[in-house]
Amino acid sequence: NAGVTQTPKFQVLKTGQSMTLQCAQDMNHEYMSWYRQDPGMGLRLIHYSVGAGITDQGEVPNGYNVSRSTTEDFPLRLLSAAPSQTSVYFCASSTSARNTIYFGEGSWLTVV
Amino acid sequence: AQSVTQPDIHITVSEGASLELRCNYSYGATPYLFWYVQSPGQGLQLLLKYFSGDTLVQGIKGFEAEFKRSQSSFNLRKPSVHWSDAAEYFCAVGAPLDSSYKLIFGSGTRLLVRP
Repeated sequence: NAGVTQTPKFQVLKTGQSMTLQCAQDMNHEYMSWYRQDPGMGLRLIHYSVGAGITDQGEVPNGYNVSRSTTEDFPLRLLSAAPSQTSVYFCASSTSARNTIYFGEGSWLTVV
Repeated sequence: AQSVTQPDIHITVSEGASLELRCNYSYGATPYLFWYVQSPGQGLQLLLKYFSGDTLVQGIKGFEAEFKRSQSSFNLRKPSVHWSDAAEYFCAVGAPLDSSYKLIFGSGTRLLVRP
């Protein structure tokens, strides 16, 4: 059982470039989320989804897009990367039945 | 506004000593409370959670936490720390309705363990 899988693990982007962080889960969880982790600030919610076709904004959504076409996948798109988006990104999934959030191992993104 | 405060950025303890990590929250009602641990280069792992009932909660790896409503606190404790406990610890809160996907995290406490 792979759990929550994020790719890529490391990425360097130039300012203005776009990219997609991939997230997949194999636990049939209905809920999925993206968080970013910055030094001294803990994790902050970017976007979340409560099911296929349903997404909503979290605390820091600007500059990011998401979609949820399947239960398994929840990609995070950076439209035009900025240095302020240099961060560690975590994808997470959960189910209401257990109320436990499972996190991926993170994607380290540097924007230069 | 909802918030979580972890007042200690770093804590150093000797192996075998007891540990207490502090967490205070600001929330309109009684939230669901969580402690997560993050080892270097890894994702977060749930240690324990509190929803209701007994205010002393047992978790994995010998950790426990006590919910004190009057102090808006949810401190994490362990009676005897092992070197493998060195990691970063995050306290988090969520609303009962959506804590399965929306959590507010504290800024974390990094635990260092002296041999």
